[in-house]
This record gives sequence, C-alpha cells and structure tokens, in this order.
Amino acid sequence: EAQVTQNPRYLITVTGKKLTVTCSQNMNHEYMSWYRQDPGLGLRQIYYSMNVEVTDKGDVPEGYKVSRKEKRNFPLILESPSPNQTSLYFCASISYRDLDYNEQFFGPGTRLTVL
Amino acid sequence: QKEVEQDPGPLSVPEGAIVSLNCTYSNSAFQYFMWYRQYSRKGPELLMYTYSSGNKEDGRFTAQVDKSSKYISLFIRDSQPSDSATYLCAIRSTGFQKLVFGTGTRLLVSP
Repeated sequence: EAQVTQNPRYLITVTGKKLTVTCSQNMNHEYMSWYRQDPGLGLRQIYYSMNVEVTDKGDVPEGYKVSRKEKRNFPLILESPSPNQTSLYFCASISYRDLDYNEQFFGPGTRLTVL
Repeated sequence: QKEVEQDPGPLSVPEGAIVSLNCTYSNSAFQYFMWYRQYSRKGPELLMYTYSSGNKEDGRFTAQVDKSSKYISLFIRDSQPSDSATYLCAIRSTGFQKLVFGTGTRLLVSP
C-alpha cells in the first residue's frame, strides 16, 4: 500500500528538549515536504526537499531543521523546541504524473505540544 | 492580504443539500487549482485537480475556476454525512511545486 508514515503521532515535550519527527514514504517520490497546521493559519510549508541531499526553506523554517540522506526518509528536527512550535505537523510526498500535474500525499500528522 | 482566502465555517447543511465551498486568490500567476479533503485526525487527501479556468466534474463533486474573478469553487451534490470534513483549497503557479493553501472550511452534514 502506497503511504506516508510519521512517528510519533502524538508528542508532549518540554521547552528545549531536542526531538525528531520521522517521515517515510514508500512511493519512490523525489519531492517531500513538511507543513505545520494551525487554526486560522492553515497549512504552512516549513521545509521541502527536491531530492536526496537537496533541501530548502519554506515559509516558516525558523526553529526547524531537516535532512534527506535517503530518498524515502525526511525527518524534521527541532533542536530546541519552544511553546510556539506547538502545532499539528504533516509530512507530504509528491507524485508527478507529468509537468502539469502533481499530487501531494500527506502523512497522518503528528500532534506536538511543547510545554 | 493573504494569497488565498477561505471562509473557515463551520458550514452546516442537512443531508441531500447542495454545498458550495469557495476560495479567492490574489495572484494571477496561479494556474493549478486543487481541493483537498481532511477528515478529523487525518492528513489531507486530494479530491479535485483542475488547470486554469472552467469546470471539472467527478461524481457528486464539481470544481469550478473563474480566473477573471480569481475565484474557485467546489460544489457537492446530494451531500452525505460522510462528506463532513474540512475542505482546503490549494493553488500553485506554473513551474513551482509549492502549494499555497487556504485555511480550510469545516463542513458538517447532518442526517
């Protein structure tokens, strides 16, 4: 089954304690992305990756890091989490049918609370 | 001004009603228009994908794009309780992979 998996699904942590949210896709997609979703603000892109070892900032990258050492994995790292990073996080993997069409497949989400 | 505006709702309708969900956008460079559906505690999933202006129909769903007004719509006919979800519009420009999302409209269809 084609899917994007994220772990953990729920996490409560404290300010300053480093954490990693993992993301993995089994569709051999080159393009992957991380979003956060907040009430009234919608989905905002944090970072994206166009291929292995190629990453770039999205709209809200501050306080986050990513890496792309393998095609299937795209972890999100919070080196020193703060309460304003409390949010619902989604990883997405993009399929290209042709230059005009792409579809983003989203993971199930990770609800993070930073105390 | 936000690039994409969407009424957050909630929009409550009885089963069988016709639902109209809408977004407006500001950038005329946007060429690709999508609707995603997000159930509670789930990730968004692609529902409809359209290029440029016009209508696209898929079963009970019709996506409509009016580029002259920078206005996109999703119509749901014969709405069902299973349609209760948050609907997000998403738009992108030619040559760019980044999607700009609306904030989502929460739809509640009561039996």
